[in-house]
Amino acid sequence: DQQVKQNSPSLSVQEGRISILNCDYTNSMFDYFLWYKKYPAEGPTFLISISSIKDKNEDGRFTVFLNKSAKHLSLHIVPSQPGDSAVYFCAASKRDDKIIFGKGTRLHILP
Amino acid sequence: DTEVTQTPKHLVMGMTNKKSLKCEQHMGHRAMYWYKQKAKKPPELMFVYSYEKLSINESVPSRFSPECPNSSLLNLHLHALQPEDSALYLCASSQDRTVRTLRFFGSGTQLSVL
Repeated sequence: DQQVKQNSPSLSVQEGRISILNCDYTNSMFDYFLWYKKYPAEGPTFLISISSIKDKNEDGRFTVFLNKSAKHLSLHIVPSQPGDSAVYFCAASKRDDKIIFGKGTRLHILP
Repeated sequence: DTEVTQTPKHLVMGMTNKKSLKCEQHMGHRAMYWYKQKAKKPPELMFVYSYEKLSINESVPSRFSPECPNSSLLNLHLHALQPEDSALYLCASSQDRTVRTLRFFGSGTQLSVL
């Protein structure tokens, strides 16, 4: 059973616009969430994280929102740039247990 | 130096071969990880070493044998692999066994088993 779900396999966004990547989770014990970005044949790169005690965390063009009641988080990228084209993985963990990754969403930034 | 370095980048091996994957970090991190990633799938945890001791083995078959000679090095010894073991093998490190600090992954070794 998938505990971390990224239901959109891919997403296309115009350059300069906002990209919104969504993630749902089923385990209410998760208390820490991370987003990673991955280019082909490379390892994931950490982007941003959020603890369950917060509902928003911002770092430059990246903002993560957490809605605990809906068990939903989203990553906003604004403005979107060509270099943002990659696969984005949502990940979650509970009380410092192993990280559970979602299947990823491929983001295409269109010129 | 904020890198996790993996060698080789690509490896092709037969089912009877013995080979090793190598991972190195010089950030003073005390936890190191091996992940396996198949195409279009998320990374899956294989092993975790904490302070040079194996702390997690995710029921990985014995044909995969990890080794942590010191706090900067992590090896994965491969023997008698199957074609279905073909995947991208990723090494990662963190300051300690705190998941919140898992920030650094290597570029991976793309393994093909013939």
